[in-house]
Amino acid sequence: DAKTTQPPSMDCAEGRAANLPCNHSTISGNEYVYWYRQIHSQGPQYIIHGLKNNETNEMASLIITEDRKSSTLILPHATLRDTAVYYCIVIDYNTDKLIFGTGTRLQVFP
Amino acid sequence: GAGVSQSPRYKVAKRGQDVALRCDPISGHVSLFWYQQALGQGPEFLTYFQNEAQLDKSGLPSDRFFAERPEGSVSTLKIQRTQQEDSAVYLCASSLGVGGAFFGQGTRLTVV
Repeated sequence: DAKTTQPPSMDCAEGRAANLPCNHSTISGNEYVYWYRQIHSQGPQYIIHGLKNNETNEMASLIITEDRKSSTLILPHATLRDTAVYYCIVIDYNTDKLIFGTGTRLQVFP
Repeated sequence: GAGVSQSPRYKVAKRGQDVALRCDPISGHVSLFWYQQALGQGPEFLTYFQNEAQLDKSGLPSDRFFAERPEGSVSTLKIQRTQQEDSAVYLCASSLGVGGAFFGQGTRLTVV
């Protein structure tokens, strides 16, 4: 079973920051938080991952709370092409076996 | 190639027919995964290979599903005697073993 809880849907205005929350209260010390997204009719796309420190790359930022029980994916300037289902996944770094939940459907509007 | 390649992209099968779906992973990736995604749902894990060894097949829904990766590179997912409930997108992913997997575009199987 997926170890994360995400809101089923969110809206965001184009050009604004999209903040997608994820709860993972049962995360253990050797588990990482991964984010993927899936645009309609495509395979899931890796976005970012982290253990306990905040991370940033060219696509997004990942903020993980100090107790690691929740995290937020931030898309700093959302575009229409960011409309997708976003999946937050907790995995043991040694296995890299991804167990997907139902994700958050992000709709970016003009 | 640069990414994970799956073929065919679309497959229509008559109920009872056998099908074979192919996955070409990223060169050098030791881990390979198969997922099944029904319409409107998240991907469901089917099976996992590390090189040629199938380490986890706990997600295969029945003994009609069979996967192989004989030389530790290309993998084939075979479904025997297809049924309508097998209609889904089948996704393949590969990784270096740690640090996240990369997915192909998937094969959309429709059983009629």
